Amino acid sequence: QKEVEQNSGPLSVPEGAIASLNCTYSDRGSQSFFWYRQYSGKSPELIMFIYSNGDKEDGRFTAQLNKASQYVSLLIRDSQPSDSATYLCAVNESGGSNYKLTFGKGTLLTVNP
Amino acid sequence: GAVVSQHPSRVICKSGTSVKIECRSLDFQATTMFWYRQFPKQSLMLMATSNEGSKATYEQGVEKDKFLINHASLTLSTLTVTSAHPEDSSFYICSAPGTVWGVGINRDEQFFGPGTRLTVL
Repeated sequence: QKEVEQNSGPLSVPEGAIASLNCTYSDRGSQSFFWYRQYSGKSPELIMFIYSNGDKEDGRFTAQLNKASQYVSLLIRDSQPSDSATYLCAVNESGGSNYKLTFGKGTLLTVNP
Repeated sequence: GAVVSQHPSRVICKSGTSVKIECRSLDFQATTMFWYRQFPKQSLMLMATSNEGSKATYEQGVEKDKFLINHASLTLSTLTVTSAHPEDSSFYICSAPGTVWGVGINRDEQFFGPGTRLTVL
């Protein structure tokens, strides 16, 4: 069974610090990796996607992918209280539709003012 | 950008009744839509893949006779929770895949609806 694992947290960081979120996946054939942010009571919103090994930066967010280790991470620099949310790692299902995603359980991040 | 809507956003019903939730792609066509369920403090669990013009594909453990899915057009999928019970109370979210067009780079993405909070008394 394909699995996506995340530390459930909560992860608590002070405002301005770097928040580091980690995710591992079991399907070695997975090709696409996504980080979603979900506020309480809301649906997920995409904040980063990464397809290739290495780092990908977008503003304060950096996604890192290591396919050999089956590991993907998200770094949030200069964390803000508004970043407080649950972060979901999602991985596409290999061998099928590129759109079918498997989600991790999410990591709850709290940024303290 | 691509927008997916859901209706209703919140519904409260009595045990034993049926509830229909609509998922619409507003500015693009979706031959495939996905239905998820999320219990409090848990992740999204894929329930089924809705296919326009054909039967839905259900994930293991999801009762297809209880969760009826109809994808009658390229912009509308419906999920009907039949004979709802309190254990069906959850946050139901749909998504539709689409393409984000950029300069020189296009990417495929899932666009999520805002979700429907179902409470069964």
